[in-house]
Amino acid sequence: QVQLQESGPGLVKPSETLSLTCIVSGSSISSAYYWGWIRQPPGKGLEWIGSIYQSGNTYYTPSLTSRITISLDASKNHFSLKLNSVTAADTALYYCAAAGRGDSFETWGQGTMVTISS
Amino acid sequence: DIQLTQSPSSVSASMGDRVTITCRASQGIGTWLAWYHQKPGEAPKLLIYAASNLQSGVPSRFSGSGSGTDFTLTISSLQPEDFATYYCQQAYSFPRTFGPGTNVDVK
Repeated sequence: QVQLQESGPGLVKPSETLSLTCIVSGSSISSAYYWGWIRQPPGKGLEWIGSIYQSGNTYYTPSLTSRITISLDASKNHFSLKLNSVTAADTALYYCAAAGRGDSFETWGQGTMVTISS
Repeated sequence: DIQLTQSPSSVSASMGDRVTITCRASQGIGTWLAWYHQKPGEAPKLLIYAASNLQSGVPSRFSGSGSGTDFTLTISSLQPEDFATYYCQQAYSFPRTFGPGTNVDVK
């Protein structure tokens, strides 16, 4: 069964770029219809921030469209998130997830905390 | 964007209680709705997909119903491991959206 693991720096300076990778194991990245990133600011709820389909089509939350890029590398069996010009408001626990039946997020990574601070 | 509201925002319950959480969408979404729960320090876990389908491995005390704009998650007999925050999420259109969450805690 598919397992997901987020990786990337836990501390990013304001105005710089947040870069995270979701490593897919136990299955091919081609196994899921689409993949997503969801974040959770400390003490708050879940916010979907973007998804990428096997075709390469991407969808982003409107508030982040100008700053976000999600890409997929089938040869490395991973997909990635880049968020540029970050501010303290981007401090959150970032999850990657795999979509399954009903287009729900069936499988989640354990999450990685990213703090934006100088 | 489709907005999701949940009620109640918090519920205190005892072991064995029946708990019902509702999720309302700002426009019709068919049955494109999922339910998750999240325990402190853990990733969310899928409970129900397509409004009423129990995810594999999820206990049968969880059930979902509804279509269009109004949905319900029911826990028929609350167990210790069910004290958590519950979220609904629409998969009808992009941007995907989550409800604000319902915290189920011990009475």
